[in-house]
Amino acid sequence: GQNIDQPTEMTATEGAIVQINCTYQTSGFNGLFWYQQHAGEAPTFLSYNVLDGLEEKGRFSSFLSRSKGYSYLLLKELQMKDSASYLCAVTNYNQGGKLIFGQGTELSVKP
Amino acid sequence: DADVTQTPRNRITKTGKRIMLECSQTKGHDRMYWYRQDPGLGLRLIYYSFDVKDINKGEISDGYSVSRQAQAKFSLSLESAIPNQTALYFCATQPRGGNQPQHFGDGTRLSIL
Repeated sequence: GQNIDQPTEMTATEGAIVQINCTYQTSGFNGLFWYQQHAGEAPTFLSYNVLDGLEEKGRFSSFLSRSKGYSYLLLKELQMKDSASYLCAVTNYNQGGKLIFGQGTELSVKP
Repeated sequence: DADVTQTPRNRITKTGKRIMLECSQTKGHDRMYWYRQDPGLGLRLIYYSFDVKDINKGEISDGYSVSRQAQAKFSLSLESAIPNQTALYFCATQPRGGNQPQHFGDGTRLSIL
C-alpha cells in the first residue's frame, strides 16, 4: 500500500525559517510534489523532486531522499501570507500520473 | 480567465437530489481528475480520466459518477445526494506524459442538508 505522513500543524514566526517534513511509503516511487493551499482556495504547485537532493526556488526549497522515503519543504524569510496548508503528494510508476496526497500541514505564521 | 473553471462555486441542496458539478479547461490537457476535500482527510480521488474515452474509479467512487464529454469537459454527478457528501470538490487537469503537476480549479463548496 501507500502511506504519506506529515505533521498536522506547525507554527512559526514572521521572518524565520520553517521546515515541513513528509515521509512516504510507496512501491515504484516516481516523484514527489509539494502544493500550497490557502484556506478555501485551490492547491497551487510549489515544487517537484524525483532525484535526491535539494531544489531551490526563491524563498522555497524542497529536499528528497529516496532511500529514506523522506522529503522536506523549507520556507525562508517567512511572511504572513505564507500561512496556509502545505500538501505533500507522491506518484509512482503504477499510478500513471495520479497523485496520492498526504493530509497536509497547516502552517500558521505569527508576527 | 481561469484555466480550469468549476461551476457552480457553491451549492446547497437537499438529501436525495441529483446534482451535477461541471469542470471545463482551456489548458489543452488530456488528463482530468475529481477530488473531494474534507477537514483532516486531505484530498481524496473520486474519478479520473486520461482521455475522452477513458474513465477510472478513484479511491472513493461510490455514490458518484462522471462523464467526459470532450477533452475540455469533465462532469461529476451525485445521483442521490446524502449529507456525508458535503465537502469541497476540486477538479484538476494534467498534461500527458512524464511527471507533470496537476492544475486545480477553484473548487465547489457543496452542502447537502
